[in-house]
Amino acid sequence: QKEVEQDPGPLSVPEGAIVSLNCTYSNSAFQYFMWYRQYSRKGPELLMYTYSSGNKEDGRFTAQVDKSSKYISLFIRDSQPSDSATYLCAMNRNSGNTPLVFGKGTRLSVIA
Amino acid sequence: KAGVTQTPRYLIKTRGQQVTLSCSPISGHRSVSWYQQTPGQGLQFLFEYFSETQRNKGNFPGRFSGRQFSNSRSEMNVSTLELGDSALYLCASSPEGRSSYNSPLHFGNGTRLTVT
Repeated sequence: QKEVEQDPGPLSVPEGAIVSLNCTYSNSAFQYFMWYRQYSRKGPELLMYTYSSGNKEDGRFTAQVDKSSKYISLFIRDSQPSDSATYLCAMNRNSGNTPLVFGKGTRLSVIA
Repeated sequence: KAGVTQTPRYLIKTRGQQVTLSCSPISGHRSVSWYQQTPGQGLQFLFEYFSETQRNKGNFPGRFSGRQFSNSRSEMNVSTLELGDSALYLCASSPEGRSSYNSPLHFGNGTRLTVT
């Protein structure tokens, strides 16, 4: 079982839809949770960062962490064609400088 | 500030050859991490260097190696290339190495390596 599981999609939605992207993980030691966005031919860029459980909102983006279920989500409201990209979840432990563990990414297409 | 710069952007090599990829981190960043990205495995951690010392290493064979120079620039080397080494190699830098809100990983746009 991989440490982080993420449905690769592709996911296609109409403009204006609410998008839900999810990851599950198996390592209960994970404390830091991130979402990265990767456009075609570009490197990943950090979108959202949360520590432990709870919600965090930034504009149209909301990140949720449920540690009891080992489940994290990213919601995109009022999705735009410019949101079309691959979304990667990432996480690491709360001990020392441990490397990030990434999900495989979900490819999202928002259709105008 | 200039972002993370990786050179070259594209590379085609033949099986059995070796290759060196270069990464210039954001000015002031002391940590450089390398990741391999493939459609099948996603992003996999190769190694991390901090102040010229390898601090973390992923589960890759010894054919994959790296180093960091005193100016924080980093190189990674792959010897005896195999077809399965074809991938996007991403370099990321951060001020301290631990990915956090105040010290996130900043990725370059990668080097696309094709092994034929």
